[in-house]
Amino acid sequence: SYELTQPPSVSVSPGQTARITCSGDALPIKFAYWYQQKSGQAPVLVIYDDNKRPSEIPEKFSGSSSGTMATLTISGAQVEDEGDYYCYSTDGNGDQWVFGGGTKLTVL
Amino acid sequence: QVQLVESGGGLVKPGGSLRLSCEGSGFTFTDYYMSWIRQAPGKGLEWLSYISNSSHHRSYADSVKGRFTISRDNAKKLLFLDMNNLRVEDTAVYYCTLGSYWGQGALVTVSS
Repeated sequence: SYELTQPPSVSVSPGQTARITCSGDALPIKFAYWYQQKSGQAPVLVIYDDNKRPSEIPEKFSGSSSGTMATLTISGAQVEDEGDYYCYSTDGNGDQWVFGGGTKLTVL
Repeated sequence: QVQLVESGGGLVKPGGSLRLSCEGSGFTFTDYYMSWIRQAPGKGLEWLSYISNSSHHRSYADSVKGRFTISRDNAKKLLFLDMNNLRVEDTAVYYCTLGSYWGQGALVTVSS
């Protein structure tokens, strides 16, 4: 079955840029989506279609995709950006959707 | 505004069955594919299934294929997930989703 691979954790100091990667064989032809989940809350979509940002999401969040890797970038990360981040995409046939394992972002 | 409200969660014994429902409002129900996603305690997100707006196309994750069935009633704006032969590892919060919109989740606990 199709898999998306993320690093388990990323740590940055306040004000630094955090980058979270997601690798998958179908990413060259399928969009990546990124969700943020803070402790005890439902996930929130922060990036869709590789690099589009919902209107309510701050500009500090951006996305890119190249080859088999998609990247979520958080510019000037702050403590309030801490949480788990999941990439989400579909296999080459568009039939099976899958989440990456999630990346825990720590800002300290 | 879009609202998705799940119901039907609860405690069930291994091997048992349960039906989750999700009522949608604030959007044209018949226009959209919908999905179920779950999250086990302390674990990551897992996509389970989607259904097309006309119900003609459905897809399932390998972990639930043959045990779970997704369906919808467009007239009543309801999405369903019928879960059979439940296992302890199916214990999770189950979310009904429409694109970026998620319900509040329904807790399913499978335990003897």
